[in-house]
Amino acid sequence: EAQVTQNPRYLITVTGKKLTVTCSQNMNHEYMSWYRQDPGLGLRQIYYSMNVEATDKGDVPEGYKVSRKEKRNFPLILESPSPNQTSLYFCASSFNAMNTEAFFGQGTRLTVV
Amino acid sequence: DQQVKQNSPSLSVQEGRISILNCDYTNSMFDYFLWYKKYPAEGPTFLISISSIKDKNEDGRFTVFLNKSAKHLSLHIVPSQPGDSAVYFCAASRGTGNQFYFGTGTSLTVIP
Repeated sequence: EAQVTQNPRYLITVTGKKLTVTCSQNMNHEYMSWYRQDPGLGLRQIYYSMNVEATDKGDVPEGYKVSRKEKRNFPLILESPSPNQTSLYFCASSFNAMNTEAFFGQGTRLTVV
Repeated sequence: DQQVKQNSPSLSVQEGRISILNCDYTNSMFDYFLWYKKYPAEGPTFLISISSIKDKNEDGRFTVFLNKSAKHLSLHIVPSQPGDSAVYFCAASRGTGNQFYFGTGTSLTVIP
């Protein structure tokens, strides 16, 4: 089954404790990206990757890091989480960036206290 | 600054009637537009898209209209069904760019 898998689905952590949210896709997609969803702000793109070893900042990259060492994986790293990073996070992949629809993971609800 | 706007946070429609969801954008360089549907506790799923070379695209009960001069697109659902109750996001991108911009979403409730 074609899918984008995020882990964990729910996470509560403390300020400053490094964490990683994993994302994996099994569709051999080139393009992957991370979004956060906040009330009244919709989905905002954090980082995206055009292909292996090619990542770039989206609209709200501050406080986040990503890596793309393999085509299927695109982890989101919060080196020192802060309460304003409490949000619902989605990973997405698509065949490429040009005019193709994205497949989204089920989301990761992160709370930073 | 929000480049894609959905000014109606919510919409209620009777079952069988037409639902019209609206989206405005500010960047005239956008040339590809998509609609996604999101149920609670799930990720968004793709619904329909339209390229800027078209002004209408239809897929079953769903039709997207694009008015480039007004920088406006709309999603029509006819007839609306209770299962259509969800949050709908519009999104836009530039063909030569790599970023996607989403609106804030419209929560549609279809009343049986």
